[in-house]
Formats: sequence, structure tokens, C-alpha cells
Amino acid sequence: QKEVEQDPGPLSVPEGAIVSLNCTYSNSAFQYFMWYRQYSRKGPELLMYTYSSGNKEDGRFTAQVDKSSKYISLFIRDSQPSDSATYLCAMSGEGMRFGAGTRLTVKP
Amino acid sequence: GAVVSQHPSWVICKSGTSVKIECRSLDFQATTMFWYRQFPKQSLMLMATSNEGSKATYEQGVEKDKFLINHASLTLSTLTVTSAHPEDSSFYICSAPRGGRGSYEQYFGPGTRLTVT
Repeated sequence: QKEVEQDPGPLSVPEGAIVSLNCTYSNSAFQYFMWYRQYSRKGPELLMYTYSSGNKEDGRFTAQVDKSSKYISLFIRDSQPSDSATYLCAMSGEGMRFGAGTRLTVKP
Repeated sequence: GAVVSQHPSWVICKSGTSVKIECRSLDFQATTMFWYRQFPKQSLMLMATSNEGSKATYEQGVEKDKFLINHASLTLSTLTVTSAHPEDSSFYICSAPRGGRGSYEQYFGPGTRLTVT
């Protein structure tokens, strides 16, 4: 079993839709939970991070962590074509591990 | 925000030659840097942890004699792919944590695309 599981998609939604991206994990030592956005042929950029369980909101983005279920989510409201990218979840504890990344396309 | 640079951004080399990739943290010091490789449509795979002043730590299955890492200063780490082969063709990305090794605040370089012919 991989430490971090993420559905690679691809996921295609119309502009304005709410997008839900998810990851599950197995290592209880993870303490920080991050979401990165990666455009094609570019390095990932940090979108959001959360520590422990709970929600965190930043503009159109909401990150949610449920440590009891070992499940994290990223919600994107009012999605835009510029949101089209690969979204990677990452978790940090003794080391950092990444999910496979979900390819998202937002169609105008 | 913090910036991490990589050089070169793209390199083509012949099989059997060596290639050096540089990773620099431009506005903060990093005692630790990480090197990843990424195949098309796949996630990042951690190769090794570069430590300033000490040996690099390699992930299981990564050949340390093939992927030489030198953390020359608090702002520079280099990855040298020795005796490169076509199967080494990949996207290599470095990252540097601001705030120490376990910091969530990881900044990634733009990546280096290596093509071995």
C-alpha cells in the first residue's frame, strides 16, 4: 500500500464548477498537509498547507484535513480555466511524501 | 515569495556522458535540499536529501554512485548524473525548505529536463 493515495484523474469540469480533490494516507506520523499546483513542465508551487485536522480557506480554495479518517481534500470554488493544472497533495512528518497528482482541466 | 532556481532548464547529452544540475536558493539559506525526478504524467519521486556539510541521504533503490550530490554551500546543491543512459531521461526537480528540514514550506525549482540520446 502506498503511503499516499491520490486519484490521478484526469478530471474535467466546466468553468464555474466546484472542484473536489482528495487524498488518503496511511502514515499517522504525518503532521503537515499541503497542496501543490504544478503546471506542465514547471516545478510545483505551494498552494495551501494545514496542520492537523480542520479547514483552511484562502480565496477560492479550501483545504480540509480529517486525521481520524486519514483523508484530506482541496476544494476549488468558481473554477477558472487558469486553474487547469496537476494538483499534488503532500504530507510531511518524518519526511515528505507526495500523491500521484490529479490532472484538472477547467473548460471555458 | 522564496525563489529556488535550477540550471540548466533543459539539457541533451549523449549516452555515457555526465551532466551536472544546479539548484540554488536565492533569498534564503537551506541546510537541506531535496532532489526529485518525475516521469511524464507521474508524481514526484524523492531521490535523495542533500545535506550541507555532510553526505547526502539516498532513497532506497537510488544509486548513490550514479547520482552524485554535493551541497557546496547553504544556497547551492548540485546533482550530477554520471554515465547517463537513455533511461535516465526525466524531469529533475529540486526543492528547499525554508525553516529547516521538516518545514512544510518547501519551495521548488522550475525543474531540469534531461534527455539522454
